Amino acid sequence: QKEVEQDPGPLSVPEGAIVSLNCTYSNSAFQYFMWYRQYSRKGPELLMYTYSSGNKEDGRFTAQVDKSSKYISLFIRDSQPSDSATYLCAMSAGGSYIPTFGRGTSLIVHP
Amino acid sequence: EADIYQTPRYLVIGTGKKITLECSQTMGHDKMYWYQQDPGMELHLIHYSYGVNSTEKGDLSSESTVSRIRTEHFPLTLESARPSHTSQYLCASSYLGRTDQETQYFGPGTRLLVL
Repeated sequence: QKEVEQDPGPLSVPEGAIVSLNCTYSNSAFQYFMWYRQYSRKGPELLMYTYSSGNKEDGRFTAQVDKSSKYISLFIRDSQPSDSATYLCAMSAGGSYIPTFGRGTSLIVHP
Repeated sequence: EADIYQTPRYLVIGTGKKITLECSQTMGHDKMYWYQQDPGMELHLIHYSYGVNSTEKGDLSSESTVSRIRTEHFPLTLESARPSHTSQYLCASSYLGRTDQETQYFGPGTRLLVL
């Protein structure tokens, strides 16, 4: 079993839809949870960061962590075609630990 | 946008050739990383460095080597390229910020095709 599981998609939604992207993990030591966005032929860029359980909101993006279920989510409200990208979750035990990445979910938002 | 650069962006090369992928960052980050990424797959850590003269192997053995002679520069060398090395190579650097979690910044990647 991989430490981090993420459905690769693709996930195709119409413009304006609410998008839900998810990851599950097995390592209970993970405390820091990140979401990266990667456009085609670009490197990943950090989108959201969350520590421990709870929600964090930034504009149209909300990151949610449920440590009891070992499940994290990224919600995108009012999705736009410019949100079309691959979204990678990453998590670590914190400090100097190198993050473990999911394989990414490809999101397509069509006009 | 992160100040981390990779060259070349694209490379097509024959089997057996020696190649060096360049990575440099101007953010003064101590830590640098090399990842390999295939389409639809996880990022696999190849090498990392905690600072000058420090290099460590990651969880993916790719028959490559790295060096860290200067803080800003972290080149990756393949002594003898093989078709199995065809992939995208991502360089990243990080710092320990206020959030107590390393924040990684990625370069644009090098797409390598070995014929």
